[in-house]
Amino acid sequence: EPEVTQTPSHQVTQMGQEVILRCVPISNHLYFYWYRQILGQKVEFLVSFYNNEISEKSEIFDDQFSVERPDGSNFTLKIRSTKLEDSAMYFCASSVRPQETQYFGPGTRLLVL
Amino acid sequence: AQSVSQHNHHVILSEAASLELGCNYSYGGTVNLFWYVQYPGQHLQLLLKYFSGDPLVKGIKGFEAEFIKSKFSFNLRKPSVQWSDTAEYFCAVTLTDSWGKLQFGAGTQVVVTP
Repeated sequence: EPEVTQTPSHQVTQMGQEVILRCVPISNHLYFYWYRQILGQKVEFLVSFYNNEISEKSEIFDDQFSVERPDGSNFTLKIRSTKLEDSAMYFCASSVRPQETQYFGPGTRLLVL
Repeated sequence: AQSVSQHNHHVILSEAASLELGCNYSYGGTVNLFWYVQYPGQHLQLLLKYFSGDPLVKGIKGFEAEFIKSKFSFNLRKPSVQWSDTAEYFCAVTLTDSWGKLQFGAGTQVVVTP
């Protein structure tokens, strides 16, 4: 069964550094998403992406965040200058249509020191 | 404000007991409703979903959920749990006219003891 994959599984970085989290969505899916979960808190929506454009984003997704689909398979989340409060589990998801089931990757645990 | 509430944060029960997890949402429009599960060490996966039609929906592994529009609820049930149902369960909602943004409840950690 096709799966969403994410790399790396864990990343430790220093405050102020840039990080890029990578995701490979399911191949025939057209809609892509990033969510995050700070330890002990809810899973929060960050951004949705379709047709090489952001279709919706949350208040969390400020100028420090960007997303890109650099090729036909990868979908990346970049945090330009990490803050301590960016420490969280980041989940990528994809779907065939925006209202259909979203399939989630295993997550990247980001720790900012 | 739009929100999704799950009534219990932790539930501990014995094998063969019945499970019911509450979920209420506060949204102004038409919604699609989901229950996701995260087993230990695994990623979020769909248990079941409701878009329209019969408000009683059946999912994988013997789970079912009932949408009660008047109560803004979508409670998850399983008549007889197994140890392998130990997991975290998340209720999630998306507006039908959105780009698919899922809003999650806080999750319920369910522990089933042998």
